[in-house]
Amino acid sequence: DVKVTQSSRYLVKRTGEKVFLECVQDMDHENMFWYRQDPGLGLRLIYFSYDVKMKEKGDIPEGYSVSREKKERFSLILESASTNQTSMYLCASSWRGQGFSEQYFGPGTRLTVT
Amino acid sequence: QKEVEQNSGPLSVPEGAIASLNCTYSDRGSQSFFWYRQYSGKSPELIMFIYSNGDKEDGRFTAQLNKASQYVSLLIRDSQPSDSATYLCAVGRNNNDMRFGAGTRLTVKP
Repeated sequence: DVKVTQSSRYLVKRTGEKVFLECVQDMDHENMFWYRQDPGLGLRLIYFSYDVKMKEKGDIPEGYSVSREKKERFSLILESASTNQTSMYLCASSWRGQGFSEQYFGPGTRLTVT
Repeated sequence: QKEVEQNSGPLSVPEGAIASLNCTYSDRGSQSFFWYRQYSGKSPELIMFIYSNGDKEDGRFTAQLNKASQYVSLLIRDSQPSDSATYLCAVGRNNNDMRFGAGTRLTVKP
């Protein structure tokens, strides 16, 4: 059974704190993604990675950074959390090979920044 | 203009009816089209994908793609209360470049 796990389901942080969200997949997928999901805006891509130590900016990378030191692990970092980063954060992974493959999602982390 | 547009709903249908969910996209280079279902408080899960023009059927679900009109739809036949969820349309050029719509909330009333 495929599995994507995220370090926390709920997180409350203060403005200005550094926040780490971690994602681990056990499917040996090359691609990993970080999205945020907000009402009326859907899923928006923050960053993705197609290989270890590789990263690409998505649509809304400002205020975020990522790290991928191992194939199975992809971390999202909020350098200095702000209230407008309160959101649901979803991690996903997929194969990179020929053709297209579905993205498997983690359970999500609901982050509240106060 | 959003890259992937969906009617946010809510769409309400009676049990046993056909639910029709629509999605339009702006990038003519898009090659892959996915429908994800997301229950409240849960993460999205894939229910259908389609690459070629025409219809693709899987059980009670039919995906329809019209690349000339940049339109993709999902039909759910014999809708059940358990189909009540938000349905996300996703469109991509490749595995690294997918765009999601905001989703359509479907309610199936018993």
